[in-house]
Amino acid sequence: SQQGEEDPQALSIQEGENATMNCSYKTSINNLQWYRQNSGRGLVHLILIRSNEREKHSGRLRVTLDTSKKSSSLLITASRAADTASYFCATDGTGGGNKLTFGTGTQLKVEL
Amino acid sequence: ETGVTQSPTHLIKTRGQQVTLRCSSQSGHNTVSWYQQALGQGPQFIFQYYREEENGRGNFPPRFSGLQFPNYSSELNVNALELDDSALYLCASSLAQDLWGYTFGSGTRLTVV
Repeated sequence: SQQGEEDPQALSIQEGENATMNCSYKTSINNLQWYRQNSGRGLVHLILIRSNEREKHSGRLRVTLDTSKKSSSLLITASRAADTASYFCATDGTGGGNKLTFGTGTQLKVEL
Repeated sequence: ETGVTQSPTHLIKTRGQQVTLRCSSQSGHNTVSWYQQALGQGPQFIFQYYREEENGRGNFPPRFSGLQFPNYSSELNVNALELDDSALYLCASSLAQDLWGYTFGSGTRLTVV
C-alpha cells in the first residue's frame, strides 16, 4: 500500500514560475526522499531530508519536513520545461525493514 | 560500467504464463531491490536481495520470487501471470542496505493480456 498522498495530483505552470508539491505520510520515519520520474521510466534521486532536519536545499530545490504533521513539501524554483516529470516522495520507517514506501506522485507540466 | 541495467525493456505475456526479468546492479553495489509500479501509482516494494539472500519482502504473493547472483545481478520471476501484474517493474541497487543510495534502472514494462 502507498505510504500517503501527494498533493496536487497534477500541476501545470509556466516556465520561470515556482512549483510546490506536498507529501503526507502515515508512520514515523527515519528519512524522506524525493524522486523524479520521466515518462514512466526509472526514478532519479533528487534530495534526502532526515527526520531531525526541517529544511534542505539543493540547487533550485528546497525541501521542508514537518514531522509533527507528517508532511513534506518540495519547491522547485524558476522552473524549466525540462522539469516536466512526475515527482514522488519516499519514506523509510522507524519500524525497520529495508523498503522505501512511495507516495502517489505529482505530475508536473512546465509550459513554455 | 556504471548504472543499473534492466532487460527486457518491454514484454507482453499471456495470462497464466511465467516471466523472468533481469537486473544488473551498479558497479560496487551489493543490494538489489525490486518495485512494482502500476499505471498512475507510486512504486511498491516487492523484495530486496542482499548477499544472495532475500532480505525483506513486501505484500506480494509467493508467485513473485527472485534470485541474486554472486556478481550481485538479480532476477525477478513471476509465475501464473494475472492481468493485474501489468506494470512497470523497477530494479534499484544500493551499497549494503542503505536506503538513501538507491540507483534505479529504467524499468521493464510488462503487459499481461
